[in-house]
Amino acid sequence: DIQMTQSPSSLSASVGDRVTIACRASQSINMYLHWYQQKAGKAPKLLMYAATSLQSGVPSRFSGSGSGTDFTLTISSLQPEDFATYYCQQTFGAPWTFGQGTKVEIK
Amino acid sequence: EVQLVESGGGLIQPGGSLRLSCAASGLTVNTNYMSWVRQAPGKGLEWVSVLYTAGTTDYAESVKGRFTVSRDNPKNTLYLQMNSLRVEDTAVYYCARVALGSWYGMDVWGQGTTVTVSS
Repeated sequence: DIQMTQSPSSLSASVGDRVTIACRASQSINMYLHWYQQKAGKAPKLLMYAATSLQSGVPSRFSGSGSGTDFTLTISSLQPEDFATYYCQQTFGAPWTFGQGTKVEIK
Repeated sequence: EVQLVESGGGLIQPGGSLRLSCAASGLTVNTNYMSWVRQAPGKGLEWVSVLYTAGTTDYAESVKGRFTVSRDNPKNTLYLQMNSLRVEDTAVYYCARVALGSWYGMDVWGQGTTVTVSS
């Protein structure tokens, strides 16, 4: 199985900060890497697909980069509504797997 | 409006069986890849299964041989049959549409249904 490792597990940031979350795959997954945002008690929401493509309706302050095994999600200027948990997921090979999540908290 | 609505969750004893349903509207289950994802209390997301348009399936190792994903085309509904349930299967279960044009990212999610396995 392909293991997905996110870092950090949690971070504290202020509104307006630039935030970067990393995700590493245990083997190359091309660009079959997606990012989700989940708020407490809610279903996940697709933010980025294919590593660098912004899902329709998602603000442009979100961006993604990477290919192969190393990926990042960047929020250019953190907004109050961005405080949530973020997950990466690979769909290169079944079983599809998620990272353990990164909780973004208010400093 | 595209919508997925899960149902069928509840409290079940270890070793029991439960069938979850995911009713779709605004999308057709048999022309999309459809997936189940679960989240144990206070934990992260865990992918469970996918049903491909061809009718083939894949499962997480943790549920292989115990869970079966299927669909009813006339009812436009996805199912997850869960047998030999364990305490560690306790979770919120989400169904999701897998977007082929998004390199298999999951772009539509239901609200989730809660399964509690306990004696």
